[in-house]
Amino acid sequence: GQNIDQPTEMTATEGAIVQINCTYQTSGFNGLFWYQQHAGEAPTFLSYNVLDGLEEKGRFSSFLSRSKGYSYLLLKELQMKDSASYLCAVGDSNYQLIWGAGTKLIIKP
Amino acid sequence: ETGVTQTPRHLVMGMTNKKSLKCEQHLGHNAMYWYKQSAKKPLELMFVYSLEERVENNSVPSRFSPECPNSSHLFLHLHTLQPEDSALYLCASSQDGASGRVYNEQFFGPGTRLTVL
Repeated sequence: GQNIDQPTEMTATEGAIVQINCTYQTSGFNGLFWYQQHAGEAPTFLSYNVLDGLEEKGRFSSFLSRSKGYSYLLLKELQMKDSASYLCAVGDSNYQLIWGAGTKLIIKP
Repeated sequence: ETGVTQTPRHLVMGMTNKKSLKCEQHLGHNAMYWYKQSAKKPLELMFVYSLEERVENNSVPSRFSPECPNSSHLFLHLHTLQPEDSALYLCASSQDGASGRVYNEQFFGPGTRLTVL
């Protein structure tokens, strides 16, 4: 079967760095997405990786290793507004997105 | 209006009612999606319309019926729902290169919070 695993919840301190991991087992691979979802709001796109390596976008970076079926989202200089759920999703061989259950990130002052 | 809009934002219905959820995208995209989001569970893809071709998830009960009259509008018709159908229903759109292929990010609407009594 197809499976996306991410931690259920993480806690970090304002100003610090946090890494949210995602491992996947899917039938085929057509890219990995990270989305941010604040409570009661729609998910919004953060990043897309299709090749191995690190993609940096401001305070957020996303890494992919296709051979290991692994990705992480790195958030630097954490702000209180970064408190949200972070969703990992993988495009499978049918180009359908398989979603993880999301990681709820709690930022403490 | 910009982005993806959904109405209503909240809906409470009895198990014998018939209601419809509406989604409209103002992005010129050619693919639209319905998702179900339950607490602490992954997003469940329900239906996809891509280049006016419907891709159906066979595990979706027949009490959910989608309709896509054009590339900008998507409906989800609901009838004889069960309490376990209570969830957040999200609509999304994307610009795809071919039928059913996800090339780009999906833009989500704010969702309809559905409660079935």
